[in-house]
Amino acid sequence: GAGVSQSPSNKVTEKGKDVELRCDPISGHTALYWYRQSLGQGLEFLIYFQGNSAPDKSGLPSDRFSAERTGGSVSTLTIQRTQQEDSAVYLCASSLDAGGTEAFFGQGTRLTVV
Amino acid sequence: GIQVEQSPPDLILQEGANSTLRCNFSDSVNNLQWFHQNPWGQLINLFYIPSGTKQNGRLSATTVATERYSLLYISSSQTTDSGVYFCAVDQGGKLIFGQGTELSVKP
Repeated sequence: GAGVSQSPSNKVTEKGKDVELRCDPISGHTALYWYRQSLGQGLEFLIYFQGNSAPDKSGLPSDRFSAERTGGSVSTLTIQRTQQEDSAVYLCASSLDAGGTEAFFGQGTRLTVV
Repeated sequence: GIQVEQSPPDLILQEGANSTLRCNFSDSVNNLQWFHQNPWGQLINLFYIPSGTKQNGRLSATTVATERYSLLYISSSQTTDSGVYFCAVDQGGKLIFGQGTELSVKP
């Protein structure tokens, strides 16, 4: 696609439910990143995928968070048993490859846990 | 891990003024980017600048990799420049962000 696409744009869920957030990267980009941004804060790294390599999961805050990337393209971030502190904007980015090339961000998914 | 510090944290300007935003980082990097996050939350790429100087209209950026800092210059500021400016550097493939500079340009 022309840009990084994320869905849904907004998600309201009840505490304890599971949610799935989707990211469709720019076509041909091998690196894909997930970040979390709480209100008024900076961007917190969660996980990144580079080609067929094992993902760097070092930023995932708990075992309730997981992500996968199917076929080297679309990625899904899953949060199980959501808590109120999970409320944030979840941002996805992609780049041609990891580290040395320019990254482009999607518009984000605003998650509200009530 | 690498530390990324931005200054100032907040900045208020009158329309037409110039400003300089700074990004310091604690280790050598392969990649440095500047982003503008607009009031709707969208992150917009400004510069990909691991070293050297680039200019784009009223904005320019300089990275001095050997001294581990980058500067973003905004000239003749406009109200549409308001928002948060982030720098981000590469660490082992992932981008690490500074805490941002929140800029408010008053008419």
